[in-house]
Amino acid sequence: DTGVSQDPRHKITKRGQNVTFRCDPISEHNRLYWYRQTLGQGPEFLTYFQNEAQLEKSRLLSDRFSAERPKGSFSTLEIQRTEQGDSAMYLCASSLLAGDLVGAYNEQFFGPGTRLTVL
Amino acid sequence: AQSVTQPDIHITVSEGASLELRCNYSYGATPYLFWYVQSPGQGLQLLLKYFSGDTLVQGIKGFEAEFKRSQSSFNLRKPSVHWSDAAEYFCAVVTDSWGKLQFGAGTQVVVTP
Repeated sequence: DTGVSQDPRHKITKRGQNVTFRCDPISEHNRLYWYRQTLGQGPEFLTYFQNEAQLEKSRLLSDRFSAERPKGSFSTLEIQRTEQGDSAMYLCASSLLAGDLVGAYNEQFFGPGTRLTVL
Repeated sequence: AQSVTQPDIHITVSEGASLELRCNYSYGATPYLFWYVQSPGQGLQLLLKYFSGDTLVQGIKGFEAEFKRSQSSFNLRKPSVHWSDAAEYFCAVVTDSWGKLQFGAGTQVVVTP
């Protein structure tokens, strides 16, 4: 399977603990996005990378959140000192930037998500 | 600010009946619009997209959508639903040159026998 993969699929943690999620994008995709989805809502943008460069972080991404994409391949999203409000589905998506303007909006392929529950 | 509104939180439809899901957007320039579907335990799958040109867009699984600039709408339709179409559907718009998506709140579709 050459789709976007995320690990773990489910994570239950206690408030105050740190958690880290991993996303493996489709090979050769140079753009990678993180979204958060809470119950009954659509996904909300958190951050994105072009290759290894993190280009923008949403205001939703507090100082407790950090994301990396070393070497422009897989990405990790870490949440420190988790709070109950962090409980959500964390989605990763990747796309391939093409040379033309329309290609800038190429389809984002989504992974299955990591469901985080903070007790 | 850009926004996407899906007025219907929940729709119930009989198998074989037609389906229409509403999406309204607020965006200053020409919008790049998408419809995604999410089944339980699955990631989002792209059904179709509109960038320019023909305002009636054909997608996968028998879905189509029509872009109406005058109404700021991009409604999704399917002539005859199948039980496997039960899922949550999201409309989304690109909000910047890096492809960042803004999603609506979604419409949950239930298909009855």
